[in-house]
Amino acid sequence: EVVLTQSPATLSLSPGERATLSCRASQSVSTSLAWFQQKLGQAPRLLIYDASNRATGIPARFSGSGSGTDFTLTISSLEPEDFAVYYCQQRSDWPRTFGQGTKLEIK
Amino acid sequence: QVQLQESGPGLMKPSETLSLTCTVSGGSFSVSYWGWIRQPPGKGLEYIGNIYNSVITRYSPSLESRVTISVDTSKNQLSLRLTSVTAADTAVYYCVKFGTGGWPDSWGQGTLATVSS
Repeated sequence: EVVLTQSPATLSLSPGERATLSCRASQSVSTSLAWFQQKLGQAPRLLIYDASNRATGIPARFSGSGSGTDFTLTISSLEPEDFAVYYCQQRSDWPRTFGQGTKLEIK
Repeated sequence: QVQLQESGPGLMKPSETLSLTCTVSGGSFSVSYWGWIRQPPGKGLEYIGNIYNSVITRYSPSLESRVTISVDTSKNQLSLRLTSVTAADTAVYYCVKFGTGGWPDSWGQGTLATVSS
């Protein structure tokens, strides 16, 4: 099973700052990795797929990069609505697995 | 825009069978790729399984012996059946549609299933 480890567990930043979230896989997943955003009480929303492609309707301030085992989600300038929990997920191998999440909170 | 709405019993006792339904509107149902993902309260996401073209299923190994995913194309419904539930199965259950690049790009609002004696 591919284990995805996200860091940091919690990230405290202010609106307007740049956020960098990491997801590391226990084995190569090529670019078969996605990022999701989940706000309190809501279902997750697909942000980035295949490591670097923005999903429909996702603002350009969200970007993804990486391949193999190391991946990054970058939010270039935080908006108030961006404070949420972020998960990565791989679909390179079965079972599909998620990271444990990074909570992005307002500083 | 496809919309998904889960429904289910809410509260169950240990050893019972959880049966959830997801009603889909606004999309083509039969030739599609659907699945279920769950989230225990306050915890992360867990992939349960998926169904493709109404017949091809695959399940997470940790649940495979207890889970069945099926579709009823006449009703535009996706179903999840999980047998012999325990407290560890308490979670919000989401139905999802796989679209963009084969990723879950449409989610239901989720339904909480609680297992308690």
